Amino acid sequence: AQSVAQPEDQVNVAEGNPLTVKCTYSVSGNPYLFWYVQYPNRGLQFLLKYITGDNLVKGSYGFEAEFNKSQTSFHLKKPSALVSDSALYFCAVSRGSTLGRLYFGRGTQLTVWP
Amino acid sequence: NAGVTQTPKFRVLKTGQSMTLLCAQDMNHEYMYWYRQDPGMGLRLIHYSVGEGTTAKGEVPDGYNVSRLKKQNFLLGLESAAPSQTSVYFCASLGGSYEQYFGPGTRLTVT
Repeated sequence: AQSVAQPEDQVNVAEGNPLTVKCTYSVSGNPYLFWYVQYPNRGLQFLLKYITGDNLVKGSYGFEAEFNKSQTSFHLKKPSALVSDSALYFCAVSRGSTLGRLYFGRGTQLTVWP
Repeated sequence: NAGVTQTPKFRVLKTGQSMTLLCAQDMNHEYMYWYRQDPGMGLRLIHYSVGEGTTAKGEVPDGYNVSRLKKQNFLLGLESAAPSQTSVYFCASLGGSYEQYFGPGTRLTVT
């Protein structure tokens, strides 16, 4: 069975500091990994993905994530946080491209304070 | 190019009433999905469709039905609403690079 764990319900960080939002996954076969962001009362927006290739992937708004196969992790990072980064972040996994079916983590609320 | 749109945005139902949520996409995507989002639960897949005329069950299909009569539309029906179906419902479609495009959501309350 496919599953995603986001061990932190909340992450708080000061503006200008680096941020990390953690994600570990369990999937049979090759994982396709994604990060989505949700602002209040909005739908989810795609941030970045890992399908194959370089383990470090760069996405929108200065975010990046590193695929670590041995640790089955896909942590989201940003070198310098902005107040406008405050949102709910979801990690998701699919098994290969199986019909695009995504399994989501429970989400991590990121708060960046000025 | 509107992307993925959902109708209605909000709805309040009484237990036992029925309703249909409409999802439309103008990106010519084959695959479409319905999710529900509950606090602390992330998003869970209700039903999905891999093309016009085809649908399949996801993780939490009970109490819901779907139809995909036209490629651009994906309908989610509740035949007899229950308070446990109070949730925010999101529709999504799958782009060519594997990322899903989400609609703005429908907030449903069942009393």
